Amino acid sequence: EPEVTQTPSHQVTQMGQEVILRCVPISNHLYFYWYRQILGQKVEFLVSFYNNEISEKSEIFDDQFSVERPDGSNFTLKIRSTKLEDSAMYFCASSGEGAPRSTIYFGEGSWLTVV
Amino acid sequence: GENVEQHPSTLSVQEGDSAVIKCTYSDSASNYFPWYKQELGKGPQLIIDIRSNVGEKKDQRIAVTLNKTAKHFSLHITETQPEDSAVYFCAASPNYGGSQGNLIFGKGTKLSVKP
Repeated sequence: EPEVTQTPSHQVTQMGQEVILRCVPISNHLYFYWYRQILGQKVEFLVSFYNNEISEKSEIFDDQFSVERPDGSNFTLKIRSTKLEDSAMYFCASSGEGAPRSTIYFGEGSWLTVV
Repeated sequence: GENVEQHPSTLSVQEGDSAVIKCTYSDSASNYFPWYKQELGKGPQLIIDIRSNVGEKKDQRIAVTLNKTAKHFSLHITETQPEDSAVYFCAASPNYGGSQGNLIFGKGTKLSVKP
């Protein structure tokens, strides 16, 4: 079964450093997303991406964050100048094209620890 | 914006019993309601979803009901098995113009099935 793959599975970074989390969405999907889950809390929407641009973003997704689809397969989340409160599990997700909306599939997550 | 409340936060049942998890949502514009199962250290996995034009959907031991008037939806798992033990999240998605996959999650229910 096709799946969303994420790397790294776990990253520890110093506060103030930049982090790039990588994702390979399901190959025929057109919509890409990043979510995060702080330990013990609910999964929160960060951003959705379609047709090479951000289609929607939450209040969490401020100027510290950026997303990019550098080639035909990868989708990245960059966090500039990380803060302690950025420590969380970051999930990439993707969905295909369908009416009204097709199923959203999540990756296994990248656990980010900021120290 | 949308707000999703989920109850209970923990649920313990004997193997073979049924489990019911309930969610309410606030935005009447929401029209898509998926349920995700999250096992320890893994990403959310879709188990069933329902759209607002349907009141009930069933897939083997799992069923979901939706009451649009009351703005609540429920997950029913029958004949529970130890492998059903996990955290279950409900989510709602509004159908605003341009919105694609902005899932608003509940806080999750930790289900424990005792053999």
